[in-house]
Amino acid sequence: GDSVTQMEGPVTLSEEAFLTINCTYTATGYPSLFWYVQYPGEGLQLLLKATKADDKGSNKGFEATYRKETTSFHLEKGSVQVSDSAVYFCALSDSNYGQNFVFGPGTRLSVLP
Amino acid sequence: GAVVSQHPSRVICKSGTSVKIECRSLDFQATTMFWYRQFPKQSLMLMATSNEGSKATYEQGVEKDKFLINHASLTLSTLTVTSAHPEDSSFYICSARKGGGGSGAYEQYFGPGTRLTVT
Repeated sequence: GDSVTQMEGPVTLSEEAFLTINCTYTATGYPSLFWYVQYPGEGLQLLLKATKADDKGSNKGFEATYRKETTSFHLEKGSVQVSDSAVYFCALSDSNYGQNFVFGPGTRLSVLP
Repeated sequence: GAVVSQHPSRVICKSGTSVKIECRSLDFQATTMFWYRQFPKQSLMLMATSNEGSKATYEQGVEKDKFLINHASLTLSTLTVTSAHPEDSSFYICSARKGGGGSGAYEQYFGPGTRLTVT
């Protein structure tokens, strides 16, 4: 079946450092790919998504590119802030709207001042 | 907009008792709600999908008699873990979808989760 693999955390960075969180997937068909973020005590929030190969999703300085050839959707940000500390989930869905999700295990990011 | 709450945020119960978790859409009507379970350091796993006014659809391997889901209104779904055992200890997360067409109709909005510990 479909699956999502993420780099294990926790990831600890200093403020203004470059962030990469790796995500790879296995799926039949052509899934849509998502990154969700969960801040402490809050629900998962959609951060960005891409619905077809070579699409780039971006939001709040984060971006990820749908790479079909490497089945990857790595999350990047050029300069992290303390407020970016959260758990990040990579996910795939068999629809553009995010139904029938398969989630990765999540990666905890801690950004130190 | 599109806020989903869960109550309680954490609960500890004794083995053999039942516990109810509520999921509410605070500022929209949710035609569909989803219940997920997350084990430590593992993915969210979909347990069931519930549509308002009808029986929930359970994923393979999820015991419907153990995890009772009620979606009695467009803003409330409940998950009751019956005769809980230590292996039911987990993080339970709900999400809600507006439906009905239009912008954001199919996006899932997630609650903050409920941590259940069965002793």
